Amino acid sequence: GENVEQHPSTLSVQEGDSAVIKCTYSDSASNYFPWYKQELGKRPQLIIDIRSNVGEKKDQRIAVTLNKTAKHFSLHITETQPEDSAVYFCAAFSGTYKYIFGTGTRLKVLA
Amino acid sequence: GAVVSQHPSWVICKSGTSVKIECRSLDFQATTMFWYRQFPKQSLMLMATSNEGSKATYEQGVEKDKFLINHASLTLSTLTVTSAHPEDSSFYICSAILIRNEQFFGPGTRLTVL
Repeated sequence: GENVEQHPSTLSVQEGDSAVIKCTYSDSASNYFPWYKQELGKRPQLIIDIRSNVGEKKDQRIAVTLNKTAKHFSLHITETQPEDSAVYFCAAFSGTYKYIFGTGTRLKVLA
Repeated sequence: GAVVSQHPSWVICKSGTSVKIECRSLDFQATTMFWYRQFPKQSLMLMATSNEGSKATYEQGVEKDKFLINHASLTLSTLTVTSAHPEDSSFYICSAILIRNEQFFGPGTRLTVL
């Protein structure tokens, strides 16, 4: 079946360091890959996304890369700040017209 | 930007009762809405896809007779948890799809069944 694997499940970094979260999807028909940040008790917020016709996208301190051949996509956060601490989810919009979410990464930025 | 509201934001009910959760797209029409359930420290699990004017499509393992979905208009989908039990306690989140398949989430409903 369709699934998205996400690693690591937890990640602690020092303030100012970079954080990288990786996802792998199974459905080769997936064509849209959003990343969400979720704070406790709140709705997921879209932070960046990438479509299958693009290999990389950057928005200030956040970047996403996509390797369609390997079915990998990654989130990169540079110059991390304490307010980046949250749970991050990757997702893939599958060929069956639904989102498949990764298992989440709990990021903790240590001041 | 697109706004999705959800009501109520939290609800506490007794075991055996039914609870209805509303999901509204406030400034756009949504032919497709999704209903997710999220248990503590877990990911969002898709329960069903709600299509305006037709029956919802349920994911494997989700009981359609227990989780009733109605999408009667282009701006409203409802999820009714029937005969709720403590194991149904969870965070329920809806979302609506806009152009280019971008997903906009409602604020979520925290259901506690006593």
